[in-house]
Amino acid sequence: AQSVAQPEDQVNVAEGNPLTVKCTYSVSGNPYLFWYVQYPNRGLQFLLKYITGDNLVKGSYGFEAEFNKSQTSFHLKKPSALVSDSALYFCAVRGPRDDKIIFGKGTRLHILP
Amino acid sequence: DAGVIQSPRHEVTEMGQEVTLRCKPISGHNSLFWYRQTMMRGLELLIYFNNNVPIDDSGMPEDRFSAKMPNASFSTLKIQPSEPRDSAVYFCASSLEGGGWETQYFGPGTRLLVL
Repeated sequence: AQSVAQPEDQVNVAEGNPLTVKCTYSVSGNPYLFWYVQYPNRGLQFLLKYITGDNLVKGSYGFEAEFNKSQTSFHLKKPSALVSDSALYFCAVRGPRDDKIIFGKGTRLHILP
Repeated sequence: DAGVIQSPRHEVTEMGQEVTLRCKPISGHNSLFWYRQTMMRGLELLIYFNNNVPIDDSGMPEDRFSAKMPNASFSTLKIQPSEPRDSAVYFCASSLEGGGWETQYFGPGTRLLVL
């Protein structure tokens, strides 16, 4: 069965520093991987996805994620954090033979001014 | 594009009452998802439809919950009777089914409080 894990409930980063939000997954076959962001009192918004091709995926708001097949990871990164990046981030996965996306529990990102 | 529309945005009701949540997906999308979000359980998929047909309702917590999609532009999630533990934010999302790599577009959610 497919699964996704976000090992950190919360990540604190100083403004201007690089940030990483971790995600690992388990699926049978090649995964489809997603990152979504949720701002307070809003629905989830799509950030980026990996389907195939280049392991480094670039998305909205300057975020990027690197697909690492050997480590079954898809960590979200940004070179320089902004206070406005503070939000709840969800990693999601779908296996090639699965019919639905599974979301992780979310990681709350705090960017400190 | 108006995005996914949900109503009501907030609902306060008393235990035992029927609650109906509504969703209008993005025009042209043929997959629709209902999620529930709580602090304790995170984001849970309740049910999803493809071309108006329920595909997987394994996430529906119990028989008190039901969902319908009578046409491509409208879906409802009903709770009858409601209980305090149903208090949560309920999200509807839609996507254009494209083989598994589709992006889901979420509505703003309905915040439900059952007293």
